[in-house]
Amino acid sequence: GAVVSQHPSWVICKSGTSVKIECRSLDFQATTMFWYRQFPKQSLMLMATSNEGSKATYEQGVEKDKFLINHASLTLSTLTVTSAHPEDSSFYICSAPVLAGGPGEQYFGPGTRLTVT
Amino acid sequence: DAKTTQPNSMESNEEEPVHLPCNHSTISGTDYIHWYRQLPSQGPEYVIHGLTSNVNNRMASLAIAEDRKSSTLILHRATLRDAAVYYCILSRYNFNKFYFGSGTKLNVKP
Repeated sequence: GAVVSQHPSWVICKSGTSVKIECRSLDFQATTMFWYRQFPKQSLMLMATSNEGSKATYEQGVEKDKFLINHASLTLSTLTVTSAHPEDSSFYICSAPVLAGGPGEQYFGPGTRLTVT
Repeated sequence: DAKTTQPNSMESNEEEPVHLPCNHSTISGTDYIHWYRQLPSQGPEYVIHGLTSNVNNRMASLAIAEDRKSSTLILHRATLRDAAVYYCILSRYNFNKFYFGSGTKLNVKP
């Protein structure tokens, strides 16, 4: 079946630096992808909707200048955490809809563990 | 966005059926009911989804109340590999966004 991959699977960076996380749809095209973050023992929180060819739309309370999203192609979305701080340490997950529109079934990536020291 | 309510945790014995409930009293007519599960340090995995009628697949069954204000995910024979956090999510047709609730952590005892 269709697969969504993420790279890297884990990353450690120093406070103040930026880190980029990639999300790829491997055998299907995704005009829309979604980014979530998950803190330990908590649920997933939707951060933003990544739209191919247009700006991302961010959920309320998510800083768009801190979490830069670029949907470069129909199979790739990237999330860049700028000027990362320890409180940005989290599990970041992306997803892509199985079908554009429709009931909304999603394929989820395996997640990227970010640790900011 | 319609909200879902699930018990924080449930426990089951291996090879016995498990019924995971979900309340969604503010569901609208175009909301689909989705169930996903998540193992530690992994992304969520699709389990099943439905609109009005009960649904079956190789993983589970979904029983939807007649008024659609609640649903139940049924695992017919729980295995140790079914131990996970199960999320019940509503998604409006053509809208695609998922807002996760707190989910139910299922523990399966051997």
